[in-house]
Amino acid sequence: AQSVAQPEDQVNVAEGNPLTVKCTYSVSGNPYLFWYVQYPNRGLQFLLKYITGDNLVKGSYGFEAEFNKSQTSFHLKKPSALVSDSALYFCAVRDKMDSNYQLIWGAGTKLIIKP
Amino acid sequence: DTGVSQDPRHKITKRGQNVTFRCDPISEHNRLYWYRQTLGQGPEFLTYFQNEAQLEKSRLLSDRFSAERPKGSFSTLEIQRTEQGDSAMYLCAAGDYSYNEQFFGPGTRLTVL
Repeated sequence: AQSVAQPEDQVNVAEGNPLTVKCTYSVSGNPYLFWYVQYPNRGLQFLLKYITGDNLVKGSYGFEAEFNKSQTSFHLKKPSALVSDSALYFCAVRDKMDSNYQLIWGAGTKLIIKP
Repeated sequence: DTGVSQDPRHKITKRGQNVTFRCDPISEHNRLYWYRQTLGQGPEFLTYFQNEAQLEKSRLLSDRFSAERPKGSFSTLEIQRTEQGDSAMYLCAAGDYSYNEQFFGPGTRLTVL
């Protein structure tokens, strides 16, 4: 069965420090991986994706993520956190062969950046 | 701006009433998804359209829920005889075959009293 795990419900980071939000996945075939961010009372906003190629992908607002096939992980990172990065972050995965482009979602991680 | 709009943004209704939500993707979006999201949780898949065809529907979806996408453009989600447990954010997402990601609308927040 396909699944996504975000092991931390909440991550607290001081402004200016690097941040990491963890994601591991399980799919039967090759994965397409995504990160989305959600601000309060808003829809989900696409941040970045891994489809193929370089394992390190860069996205919006200075975020990046590294695909690690052996560890089945796709952790989200940023070198220097901003208070405005505080939001809810969701990892999602799709099996490359799924013709409906169906996404499997993690439960989300609340990121709190303190001044 | 994802190009996906939803209406209304907020809906308060009394238990037992019917409600209908609308989603308008851009014309290139031949794929359309409806999700439900409760506070602090990830999106829960409800149903999927490819153009006007409803190709997939969650087994968790009650028969009080119905969705349409006439002409493969906008979509509506109707909930009949609403219950307090239906209170949630209803999200619409869309995309086309050029993109693997889904583009989300702002959502409709439903409160059933």
